[in-house]
Amino acid sequence: GESVGLHLPTLSVQEGDNSIINCAYSNSASDYFIWYKQESGKGPQFIIDIRSNMDKRQGQRVTVLLNKTVKHLSLQIAATQPGDSAVYFCAENIRGGKLIFGQGTELSVKP
Amino acid sequence: DAEITQSPRHKITETGRQVTLACHQTWNHNNMFWYRQDLGHGLRLIHYSYGVQDTNKGEVSDGYSVSRSNTEDLPLTLESAASSQTSVYFCASSSGSAETQYFGPGTRLLVL
Repeated sequence: GESVGLHLPTLSVQEGDNSIINCAYSNSASDYFIWYKQESGKGPQFIIDIRSNMDKRQGQRVTVLLNKTVKHLSLQIAATQPGDSAVYFCAENIRGGKLIFGQGTELSVKP
Repeated sequence: DAEITQSPRHKITETGRQVTLACHQTWNHNNMFWYRQDLGHGLRLIHYSYGVQDTNKGEVSDGYSVSRSNTEDLPLTLESAASSQTSVYFCASSSGSAETQYFGPGTRLLVL
C-alpha cells in the first residue's frame, strides 16, 4: 500500500549543529514531495518542496534530498536554532494533488 | 495578503449534535482539503474539492460531509458528532495538482 514514514520519531540536537530528518515513501509514482514544519497549536507550515525530476533542492538553511532509487527523502537544517524546534512532516503527492503525510519527527534544539 | 482562515478555533459539542467547521481562503485556489490530526495518526484526509460543486471522499470520510458553493469556502459538517471525532481539524488549499498545500490554523473540536 501507500505509505510515507519517518525513521526517527524524535531528534535532539545542539544549537548550532546540523539536523537531518529522514523519510521513506513507498509510491514510485509520486511526483512531488513537501516538507512541513508544525509548531505547537499551529497549522503545518511549508518549508521546502522537491519534484521527482530533481535530487536536491536548497532553501535558506534547509536542503531537501531525494533518492528515488531507495525511495528516501531527507531534510537537512543547517546551524539549527531554538526556533527550529517543532514537528516536521514529509508529505508525498499522489493522484491529482492529494497528500499522504508521514507520522512526523519532533525536533528538539538544546541551547 | 492572501490567507486561509478557520472558524471557530475551538469548539465543544455534545454527542449527536450537528457541527459545521468553516474554512475560507483568499488565495483563489481551486483545490481545498480537510484533514484531521490525531496522536499516532498524523494528518489524514477527510474530504477534498477540485472546484465549485466538486467534492470527493478522502481516507476517513465516514460521518463527515462538505459542500463547495464558491471558490473561497469549504465548510465541513459532522452530521451527528461522535466522541471519536474529537480531534484537531485542518483545512488546506492549493492552486492545482502537484502544488503546495497551504494550511489554516486549525480547529480544536471536543465531542463530549
